[in-house]
Amino acid sequence: AQSVTQLGSHVSVSEGALVLLRCNYSSSVPPYLFWYVQYPNQGLQLLLKYTSAATLVKGINGFEAEFKKSETSFHLTKPSAHMSDAAEYFCAVSRLNSGGYQKVTFGTGTKLQVIP
Amino acid sequence: DTGVSQDPRHKITKRGQNVTFRCDPISEHNRLYWYRQTLGQGPEFLTYFQNEAQLEKSRLLSDRFSAERPKGSFSTLEIQRTEQGDSAMYLCASSSYTGEESYEQYFGPGTRLTVT
Repeated sequence: AQSVTQLGSHVSVSEGALVLLRCNYSSSVPPYLFWYVQYPNQGLQLLLKYTSAATLVKGINGFEAEFKKSETSFHLTKPSAHMSDAAEYFCAVSRLNSGGYQKVTFGTGTKLQVIP
Repeated sequence: DTGVSQDPRHKITKRGQNVTFRCDPISEHNRLYWYRQTLGQGPEFLTYFQNEAQLEKSRLLSDRFSAERPKGSFSTLEIQRTEQGDSAMYLCASSSYTGEESYEQYFGPGTRLTVT
């Protein structure tokens, strides 16, 4: 079984401030972890992924995330928020299913508001 | 590579009507997934195809739902006798079959269904 918990359904930051979106996961096997971003009325776009290589993962748009096994966390950060970062962010965990494909479980999402 | 496309983008229907959605995956992707996303939630897995074979169906996929991928290319998702609870965003995703890229699912823009 696998699950993802995103702490905080809404996060507000000032433009230029640090962005920190929290994600904790539960998985019975070594996980693959992802962060996706979703803009209103659009599909999901992959920001970054962890697939058991480097624990600090860099993604698009200046975002990065660190895999911490001891804390079962995969928090998303960005040093300086831009207005264009306002969106909903989803953390996801996947594992190789018995059917031979990656079964993905998503968190409930965190809406990021950037205040000018 | 034009990405994953979905049609229509929006559908409003009356309760009891049938609706059909189409998904065109990235052309070289063998794997295709359907998800449902309700307001304030992350996407939930509905079903998975490898080529034309439907290999897994979620318990969320009641007998009013049917999905096909007849030639291993595009897929359709049909909902019969729609109910107000079916109102949601229906997302399609595709992925490659092998290697590192199999971990990454590419999402379409979604079809937003409103049942009145």
